[in-house]
Amino acid sequence: DGGITQSPKYLFRKEGQNVTLSCEQNLNHDAMYWYRQDPGQGLRLIYYSQIVNDFQKGDIAEGYSVSREKKESFPLTVTSAQKNPTAFYLCASSPTVNYGYTFGSGTRLTVV
Amino acid sequence: KQEVTQIPAALSVPEGENLVLNCSFTDSAIYNLQWFRQDPGKGLTSLLLIQSSQREQTSGRLNASLDKSSGRSTLYIAASQPGDSATYLCAVIVPGSARQLTFGSGTQLTVLP
Repeated sequence: DGGITQSPKYLFRKEGQNVTLSCEQNLNHDAMYWYRQDPGQGLRLIYYSQIVNDFQKGDIAEGYSVSREKKESFPLTVTSAQKNPTAFYLCASSPTVNYGYTFGSGTRLTVV
Repeated sequence: KQEVTQIPAALSVPEGENLVLNCSFTDSAIYNLQWFRQDPGKGLTSLLLIQSSQREQTSGRLNASLDKSSGRSTLYIAASQPGDSATYLCAVIVPGSARQLTFGSGTQLTVLP
């Protein structure tokens, strides 16, 4: 079945450490997105990519970085510059503007 | 800037009731509107997608309508079940937004057995 796979499901980060969240899709979608979800704040866009080797900052990109070397993959790195990284991270993809989005199952990141 | 509002924020109903969830948006020039369901600690599951040229979509017990001129969408759930308990989110895409979704804050639905 086609879909989006996010891993790991749970991730723990120590202070000052960089961590990378994986997002892989086998839907042949051009566009991929990373959202952050905090209680009471809804979903906020971190980064998005419309095509391989190109990506754009979203509303809250500070402290995060991404790459898009393959159509299927859009990993998100949470750097030590992100001071409040504890949140639920969701990856999504879409084929074109007139079609809907598909979301992954999410990664819950906790700072320890 | 597009803003999406969902009312009510929370809703509790007895099993078997029909119910309506509301979504309003400020910019009527949208490409499409999508309804999602989110269970606690889980990702988003797409329920219905309404393209700008459509007025409604149906899937099983769910029916979503779209009125672009008034900036409103409704999600109708027939014969609610305890398994319908979840948070329901609506989201829109507007032209020039590089296909970014703008989400409402969601309606948390509880269906009591």
